[in-house]
Amino acid sequence: AQSVTQPDIHITVSEGASLELRCNYSYGATPYLFWYVQSPGQGLQLLLKYFSGDTLVQGIKGFEAEFKRSQSSFNLRKPSVHWSDAAEYFCAVGAGGTYKYIFGTGTRLKVLA
Amino acid sequence: DAGVIQSPRHEVTEMGQEVTLRCKPISGHNSLFWYRQTMMRGLELLIYFNNNVPIDDSGMPEDRFSAKMPNASFSTLKIQPSEPRDSAVYFCASSLSSGSSYNEQFFGPGTRLTVL
Repeated sequence: AQSVTQPDIHITVSEGASLELRCNYSYGATPYLFWYVQSPGQGLQLLLKYFSGDTLVQGIKGFEAEFKRSQSSFNLRKPSVHWSDAAEYFCAVGAGGTYKYIFGTGTRLKVLA
Repeated sequence: DAGVIQSPRHEVTEMGQEVTLRCKPISGHNSLFWYRQTMMRGLELLIYFNNNVPIDDSGMPEDRFSAKMPNASFSTLKIQPSEPRDSAVYFCASSLSSGSSYNEQFFGPGTRLTVL
């Protein structure tokens, strides 16, 4: 069965530091992979997605993610974190029908000034 | 663009009462989704509409939950009767679906439901 694992429940980084959020998936075929961000009191917003092609994908707000098939991973990165990046981040895999996601449990990011 | 609009933003009710959550999708979008988010179960898809027709309601937890989409600009999610375990944040999302690939879903701000 498809699944998504985000091993880190909470991460704290200092403003200006680099960031990497981990995501591992289990899926039989080539997956559709997504990262969403949820700011406090808001709905989810798509940061980036991977369907095929270049395994390094660029998203909004300076985020990027790398698909590594051999490691079943799709980690999210940002070279320099801003205080406004404090939010919860969800990794998701497309689970069929071009509309259904399986979401990870999320990683809550705290940014220290 | 106003985005996906949900009302109310917060709802507190007593067990046994009927609760109706409302959603206005982004104009021109043909797909609408209702999700529930809880600490225990994370984010779950409850129901998916395409062109106002329910396509997948496999996530609806039980008969106490019902959803309608009478037109392209309005949808409701109703819980009757409500129970404390229904307490959660309910999100509505919409997308312009081509049917051939995943399309970005735009989420509303959610309704935080508390059932006492």
